[in-house]
Amino acid sequence: ETGVTQSPTHLIKTRGQQVTLRCSSQSGHNTVSWYQQALGQGPQFIFQYYREEENGRGNFPPRFSGLQFPNYSSELNVNALELDDSALYLCASSVGHTGELFFGEGSRLTVL
Amino acid sequence: QKEVEQDPGPLSVPEGAIVSLNCTYSNSAFQYFMWYRQYSRKGPELLMYTYSSGNKEDGRFTAQVDKSSKYISLFIRDSQPSDSATYLCASARPSNTGKLIFGQGTTLQVKP
Repeated sequence: ETGVTQSPTHLIKTRGQQVTLRCSSQSGHNTVSWYQQALGQGPQFIFQYYREEENGRGNFPPRFSGLQFPNYSSELNVNALELDDSALYLCASSVGHTGELFFGEGSRLTVL
Repeated sequence: QKEVEQDPGPLSVPEGAIVSLNCTYSNSAFQYFMWYRQYSRKGPELLMYTYSSGNKEDGRFTAQVDKSSKYISLFIRDSQPSDSATYLCASARPSNTGKLIFGQGTTLQVKP
């Protein structure tokens, strides 16, 4: 059984650019959630996808968007990057709405 | 006021000590409570998952939830240097179990 995998692991962008982060769910999991973790802070909920539909969103602007594909993998897109977007972006998968989330290792984004 | 509060520490204990980690929460609607362990530059790893009040034990780890005082605890017995990590508590409502509200995390160091 493979766990949650994310790519890329690290990336550097400049302010105003766009970024796409990718996530493959743990086998058998059909729900994907994305979180942003700033240095020294707990993760903050961005949004969740279930059956390819957005199923809940946190307090993030519309320039944060996502997709879930039929194989349950997912993308997080961030447009018009700002310096404060520098963080660890975590993907978590689960089965339905059990609340037991399993996280990947994250993608560390640095915006210069 | 944050919905989940956690003392960031750092907490330093000798090997073999009993460690007590604590969080408080403010939202009475929270019914799901989790503890995650996060090593440096890694994703959070689910340690304990409980529903409503009560205790749950798994090896050296015991999770307690007291809903009357809105208090969440994690006890680690016979602590080991490998337990050195950041511990994150998290809570969720039944209506949105994918949206975990995390505390800031407590950094624990277990000295040999």
